[in-house]
Amino acid sequence: DADVTQTPRNRITKTGKRIMLECSQTKGHDRMYWYRQDPGLGLRLIYYSFDVKDINKGEISDGYSVSRQAQAKFSLSLESAIPNQTALYFCATSDLGHLTTDTQYFGPGTRLTVL
Amino acid sequence: KQEVTQIPAALSVPEGENLVLNCSFTDSAIYNLQWFRQDPGKGLTSLLLIQSSQREQTSGRLNASLDKSSGRSTLYIAASQPGDSATYLCAVMAGTSYGKLTFGQGTILTVHP
Repeated sequence: DADVTQTPRNRITKTGKRIMLECSQTKGHDRMYWYRQDPGLGLRLIYYSFDVKDINKGEISDGYSVSRQAQAKFSLSLESAIPNQTALYFCATSDLGHLTTDTQYFGPGTRLTVL
Repeated sequence: KQEVTQIPAALSVPEGENLVLNCSFTDSAIYNLQWFRQDPGKGLTSLLLIQSSQREQTSGRLNASLDKSSGRSTLYIAASQPGDSATYLCAVMAGTSYGKLTFGQGTILTVHP
């Protein structure tokens, strides 16, 4: 089984709808991240959480919210979806390791289309 | 603000060629630089991580170098194969953004038989 899973894998929705993307991990990592990827722009950080009680905004948090329900679960919500939120969304995790060797482990992504 | 740029945006080569992907970053105060591979429908997979005190890392046919003073890294792929076709992403973990990665826009590599 995959260490980092995302549901759904694909979603088409309409403008104004509320959408929740879910991420679960079995790696036992404390840190979790949500990114979006747009063509030609690489990955940009939306929100991140270093433990269950810690939530931080990334560089593009407007229009999004998150919930860290448990160490293993981190959900991303779009309260009122708009077309420019159409993108590929990735969840990632990392361990509380040494700064210079810290890497991240990614889920397979959720392709979201907002019509 | 850290910015990461990758050149070229896309590259197409015949099988067997050696190739170089380039990555540049604006803030040299980094903890590490990482190269990832992305396949369609799949997440990112970490290929190589170079710590700030290191100059290069090797894994099989892949070799990544780091020059912090000039803000550059290269990923060298030897004897390319069609299975190497993917998007390659460079990312840095900067000293001012602990635990967070800043990504380049990626290089789409196609290796044709």
